[in-house]
Amino acid sequence: SQTIHQWPATLVQPVGSPLSLECTVEGTSNPNLYWYRQAAGRGLQLLFYSVGIGQISSEVPQNLSASRPQDRQFILSSKKLLLSDSGFYLCAWNRGTNEKLFFGSGTQLSVL
Amino acid sequence: GENVEQHPSTLSVQEGDSAVIKCTYSDSASNYFPWYKQELGKGPQLIIDIRSNVGEKKDQRIAVTLNKTAKHFSLHITETQPEDSAVYFCAASIGGSYIPTFGRGTSLIVHP
Repeated sequence: SQTIHQWPATLVQPVGSPLSLECTVEGTSNPNLYWYRQAAGRGLQLLFYSVGIGQISSEVPQNLSASRPQDRQFILSSKKLLLSDSGFYLCAWNRGTNEKLFFGSGTQLSVL
Repeated sequence: GENVEQHPSTLSVQEGDSAVIKCTYSDSASNYFPWYKQELGKGPQLIIDIRSNVGEKKDQRIAVTLNKTAKHFSLHITETQPEDSAVYFCAASIGGSYIPTFGRGTSLIVHP
């Protein structure tokens, strides 16, 4: 069966510090991978998606970046965090077009 | 692009009552409509989905109906229980698209 792992679950970082959130999927190959952000517990904002290794599409311009160094690994990064980067970050995957998304358990990021 | 409107934003019911959440979409090319349930501090999970060649789908206490002409779809939960309390998201995917467009979510509160 397929599983998605996302860590850490909680993160508190000072303004200006770097960020690295990691997501891995097991039990499937060549998944589509997604990073979402959820502010104030509501609304899913798509940040990045990837349909293959090294292929990253950005939906929202910001100081975040994403990378896909391996088929089932998706990383969200920032060189310098802003207060506005606080939120609940979710990784997700699906198999192809018009297919359900499987979400990770999320990372609660607080930038202070 | 696709636009999905979801109502109400908050729904409060007594245990045992029915709950209905409604969504409308804008693009007639959308053909896949999933519903996700998000419990506090967790990632959303798919609870039911429907494709455009079907008008209704049921799974125990939950059902989804789709009206393609009016471009709206609804989630129906019967005999609500306190554990149904969560945020529910509808979504719509245009045919051939990897990425669903989400509604803004409905916070369902079931009072014992």
